[in-house]
Amino acid sequence: DGGITQSPKYLFRKEGQNVTLSCEQNLNHDAMYWYRQDPGQGLRLIYYSQIVNDFQKGDIAEGYSVSREKKESFPLTVTSAQKNPTAFYLCASSILTGVPGELFFGEGSRLTVL
Amino acid sequence: AQKITQTQPGMFVQEKEAVTLDCTYDTSDQSYGLFWYKQPSSGEMIFLIYQGSYDEQNATEGRYSLNFQKARKSANLVISASQLGDSAMYFCAMRVWNTGNQFYFGTGTSLTVIP
Repeated sequence: DGGITQSPKYLFRKEGQNVTLSCEQNLNHDAMYWYRQDPGQGLRLIYYSQIVNDFQKGDIAEGYSVSREKKESFPLTVTSAQKNPTAFYLCASSILTGVPGELFFGEGSRLTVL
Repeated sequence: AQKITQTQPGMFVQEKEAVTLDCTYDTSDQSYGLFWYKQPSSGEMIFLIYQGSYDEQNATEGRYSLNFQKARKSANLVISASQLGDSAMYFCAMRVWNTGNQFYFGTGTSLTVIP
């Protein structure tokens, strides 16, 4: 079945460590997104990409990095520079044109810093 | 600036009753889409319904309908005949086609269905 796969589902990190969250889609979507969700809050955009080898910063990109070497893959690295990384991370994808053009989401990755 | 506002942090509804979740939006663009998502406690985001800015009729999907009032810039979600499984967070979102394919989300409304 087509969809978005995020891994790992749960991740624990010690302070000062970088971690990478995986996001893979087989929907043939051009656009991919990373969102951060804190308890009781909405989704905040970290990075997004519309084409391979190109990506743009969202509202809260500091302390995060991404790559888009393949259309299907958009991994997110949470670096040690991110001061408060404990959160729920959602990866999503969409078509670039056409309606409705909704976001398709993965199941999320919950990162906890110990 | 593009913005989505959801002013109801939490809502309660009796089972089998209807409930309206409010959403207002702000954009100066003429071409945009409005979306509602449901997020159960498991964390997955489930797409519910879509309304395009040029659509003249309100969107409906089963028990979900979108009350679209363009002049007031509101896109309220109506859930009819509430079920216990409707208890979740609900997010309103907007996609403005000329802004680089970004989506703008509200802060969400937590809906609790009471038996």
